[in-house]
Amino acid sequence: GNSVTQMEGPVTLSEEAFLTINCTYTATGYPSLFWYVQYPGEGLQLLLKATKADDKGSNKGFEATYRKETTSFHLEKGSVQVSDSAVYFCALSQQTGANNLFFGTGTRLTVIP
Amino acid sequence: ETGVTQSPTHLIKTRGQQVTLRCSSQSGHNTVSWYQQALGQGPQFIFQYYREEENGRGNFPPRFSGLQFPNYSSELNVNALELDDSALYLCASSLEGTPSTDTQYFGPGTRLTVL
Repeated sequence: GNSVTQMEGPVTLSEEAFLTINCTYTATGYPSLFWYVQYPGEGLQLLLKATKADDKGSNKGFEATYRKETTSFHLEKGSVQVSDSAVYFCALSQQTGANNLFFGTGTRLTVIP
Repeated sequence: ETGVTQSPTHLIKTRGQQVTLRCSSQSGHNTVSWYQQALGQGPQFIFQYYREEENGRGNFPPRFSGLQFPNYSSELNVNALELDDSALYLCASSLEGTPSTDTQYFGPGTRLTVL
């Protein structure tokens, strides 16, 4: 089956610290991989995606590389800001059928000044 | 370009009642998916509609049903509400048949509370 496992949260960092949020997946075939972000009181926003092995998705200083050999898609940012405080969800979709998303449980990030 | 909108923002119902949630897709999108997000959890796929037909369904009972209209707006109906149905309901739209068919764009959600 399809599933996503994210590192346990919450994560608290000081401003300008380095961020890593681990994500591993289980899937058949070649899924697409995503990171979505949810700010307080809002819906989900697509942060970045990758559709094949070794692709790197990047946006707003965040990046993640699709690693098929380790079935991982870890999210990184070199220097976090207070405005990055949110819940981050790793997700996958199969590129066939309903292409619905399978989400991890989310990781809450708090960045303190 | 208009984003995905949902209504109402918040809703309170009692056990056993029925509820209808509404979603307007992003302009130009012909596919809509609904997700349930319980507190502290990731969203769970309920079902997807493409060209007014159900195109896939997650592990939800038949009392969760939906519609998609010719203008690609959509409704989620839940009958015989249970306490565990309390959650944030998210609608997402996408455009089938393009290289970006797997990118779904989410609305702000409807917060349903069942008492």
